[in-house]
Amino acid sequence: AQSVTQPDIHITVSEGASLELRCNYSYGATPYLFWYVQSPGQGLQLLLKYFSGDTLVQGIKGFEAEFKRSQSSFNLRKPSVHWSDAAEYFCALNSGGSNYKLTFGKGTLLTVNP
Amino acid sequence: DVKVTQSSRYLVKRTGEKVFLECVQDMDHENMFWYRQDPGLGLRLIYFSYDVKMKEKGDIPEGYSVSREKKERFSLILESASTNQTSMYLCASSTFYEQYFGPGTRLTVT
Repeated sequence: AQSVTQPDIHITVSEGASLELRCNYSYGATPYLFWYVQSPGQGLQLLLKYFSGDTLVQGIKGFEAEFKRSQSSFNLRKPSVHWSDAAEYFCALNSGGSNYKLTFGKGTLLTVNP
Repeated sequence: DVKVTQSSRYLVKRTGEKVFLECVQDMDHENMFWYRQDPGLGLRLIYFSYDVKMKEKGDIPEGYSVSREKKERFSLILESASTNQTSMYLCASSTFYEQYFGPGTRLTVT
């Protein structure tokens, strides 16, 4: 069975500081990987995705993520956090083929201090 | 831009009522999904549909049913609402693996 783990439930950073949110997955092959962001009271918005190829992927809002097969990780990074980045972040996995369901991590809540 | 809309942002219902949550997407996507989101539990899949009139159970289908009579519309039905169904409900649609989400419906059952 596949699974996604986000080890950090809550992270606090100062505005302007760098950010890294961790995501580890369990799956026997290379999965399709996603990061979503959810602002308070809103739905989820796709930040970026990894299907294949370059292991460093760029997304919207200045975010990037790096796929590391050896560590089964897909960590999300941003060099300088803005107050508007405060939200909950979800990592998700799809196993490919004809199965279009996503397996989500439980999320990491990001607080940004001024 | 893909747009997924949900019929209500906030809904308050009484225990035992039949509740309909509606979701509409405008991108001709084959797949549609219903999730519930609870603090500490993340998103859990209730049902999904990969074609009109086709549906499959997700991880937590008990107490719910769904209907998909038209490609763009996917309804979640609570046959007899209970207080433990108080939650945020999110609808999503996709063609392949990338899912697009609606704004969510915050349902309170009293």
